[in-house]
Formats: sequence, structure tokens, C-alpha cells
Amino acid sequence: NAGVTQTPKFQVLKTGQSMTLQCAQDMNHEYMSWYRQDPGMGLRLIHYSVGAGITDQGEVPNGYNVSRSTTEDFPLRLLSAAPSQTSVYFCASSQGGLAEETQYFGPGTRLLVL
Amino acid sequence: GENVEQHPSTLSVQEGDSAVIKCTYSDSASNYFPWYKQELGKGPQLIIDIRSNVGEKKDQRIAVTLNKTAKHFSLHITETQPEDSAVYFCAARTFQGAQKLVFGQGTRLTINP
Repeated sequence: NAGVTQTPKFQVLKTGQSMTLQCAQDMNHEYMSWYRQDPGMGLRLIHYSVGAGITDQGEVPNGYNVSRSTTEDFPLRLLSAAPSQTSVYFCASSQGGLAEETQYFGPGTRLLVL
Repeated sequence: GENVEQHPSTLSVQEGDSAVIKCTYSDSASNYFPWYKQELGKGPQLIIDIRSNVGEKKDQRIAVTLNKTAKHFSLHITETQPEDSAVYFCAARTFQGAQKLVFGQGTRLTINP
């Protein structure tokens, strides 16, 4: 098993550009989530999904969209990038409830918005 | 909502000594407290967790203690080794809104040889 994979590893965007951060897992996990990591602020939940076709907002959802058309994939979309979205983004998956089971994190995507 | 405070933000100890990281939480209904370790360039990985029906849990050199009355929990690492150098995050499960984990700010632990 590859676990949780994320692409790209690093991306530079200009303000106003759009992009999609890809996340995939091969563990047949129902629950997937996106976090952003900023210095001194820990990990903050952006969006999460409890299964294919179901998504919901986390703590900091503004400026981000998600969809879950398959169990394996959970892409995160930035429609119009802003410098405040410069961060490291982590995707995670878990078999059970979002806060009940071990979450398996991907290696992260480092995003720089100029 | 739930707020998790983690201290210290950085910690440096000599190899072989013990390290302690402390977290406090605000939601008295929280009942699940995991600890994650993040090595450089990698995603966080669960190292130990504790539920509110126990006060302490150990796994080899790592232990976690929980004081529900005071609403704080701690990570203890004994006989530290260079490979323990990493960023550690505590978290608490909140029941406000949808169940989710709220993470602390992280502690960068450095083990000096």
C-alpha cells in the first residue's frame, strides 16, 4: 500500500491563480480530510468528507472547495489564490470517525502564493 | 469552540534525559487525546493516544498522562534518543459541531548528543 499520496510536493502560484491539490489513498478509508499547517498554529481543519459524495466544512474553509466523487480521491481546489493561503497542506484519511480513529497523513504540499 | 494550548513551543534536552510536553484543553466533554510526531519533510504520525476513562498509558519509552479535572494532558519521553528529534502535536476530540480533532500549536523537540 502506498498509503496517502499528495501531489504536487511544491507549488508556486501568483495571486488570483487557481489550482487543485491532489490527494489519494489506497486503504479504502471512508474518512478523508484536509489540514493546513502554519508556524505556531498547529494543524487546522479545512474540509472533510465522511464518504463518497459527502463533504463538510472544517475550521478554515474560506477560499477552498472540495469534492469526493470516489472513495480514493479527495482533491482540494483553490479558485483564486491569495498570499494568506501560503502554507503546507496535509491530506489525511482514517477508517472510522474523523476524530475516533488513527489518522494517516500524506507527505504534504508546500504552497507559496506570491 | 475547543481550544488546545501546547507548551513549550521548543524544547532542547540532552540525549538520555527525559522530555515532557504539556497541553491544556477547554472543552470538558472532550474524551480522546492523541499525540502525533512529525519528522522533517513528512506528515504527522500517531505515536500514542489516551481516552478519558484512563489516567495514564505507556508504550515503551513514551507515556501520556491525563488529568480530566484540570483539563490537561502530557507526553513523557524517557531515555531520549536522537531519532526523537521532531515536532510533536497534541490534539483533543471536540463534540462541538461535527466531531473533529483540534490540534495544539506543536513543540519542536531537539535531542542534543
